[in-house]
Amino acid sequence: NAGVTQTPKFRILKIGQSMTLQCAQDMNHNYMYWYRQDPGMGLKLIYYSVGAGITDKGEVPNGYNVSRSTTEDFPLRLELAAPSQTSVYFCASSFDRVETQYFGPGTRLLVL
Amino acid sequence: GQNIDQPTEMTATEGAIVQINCTYQTSGFNGLFWYQQHAGEAPTFLSYNVLDGLEEKGRFSSFLSRSKGYSYLLLKELQMKDSASYLCAVRYDMRFGAGTRLTVKP
Repeated sequence: NAGVTQTPKFRILKIGQSMTLQCAQDMNHNYMYWYRQDPGMGLKLIYYSVGAGITDKGEVPNGYNVSRSTTEDFPLRLELAAPSQTSVYFCASSFDRVETQYFGPGTRLLVL
Repeated sequence: GQNIDQPTEMTATEGAIVQINCTYQTSGFNGLFWYQQHAGEAPTFLSYNVLDGLEEKGRFSSFLSRSKGYSYLLLKELQMKDSASYLCAVRYDMRFGAGTRLTVKP
């Protein structure tokens, strides 16, 4: 199993550009999550999904959108990138709400 | 509120024991997790408590008191490779603490 994979590993965006961060898991997990981690800080939940077709906002959803058309994929969309969105983005998955989360390697995003 | 508090930084000596505390407030509870995160890497699972008491896994142990909203991670026989950030997470809220950066010195 590849576990949780994320692409790209690193990206530089100009202010106002948009992009999609890709996340996929091959563990047949129902739950998937997007977190951001600013330098020296903990993880903040952006969006999560409890299954295909179902998504919900986390702590910091503004400026982001998600979709979950399949069990495997959970892309994160940034529209109109802003410098405040410079961060490391981690995707994670778990079988359910009480099981441990498995994290992808992260995407480092720089908005200039 | 729904806060998770951990000390920002700790330093310990190789071979010693260190205890990292975590206090939390939550509207519901179904488990508290500890993760290890080395610099530039993703968090990896260390330990999990859902009932009060101590869970032991080799050199790592985690304790939970639900009535006090308190947990700690105990690391024994510290090694240099244990230098990392340690994050506690309340599963119900899908929230993480800011992490404790542990430096192990020779």
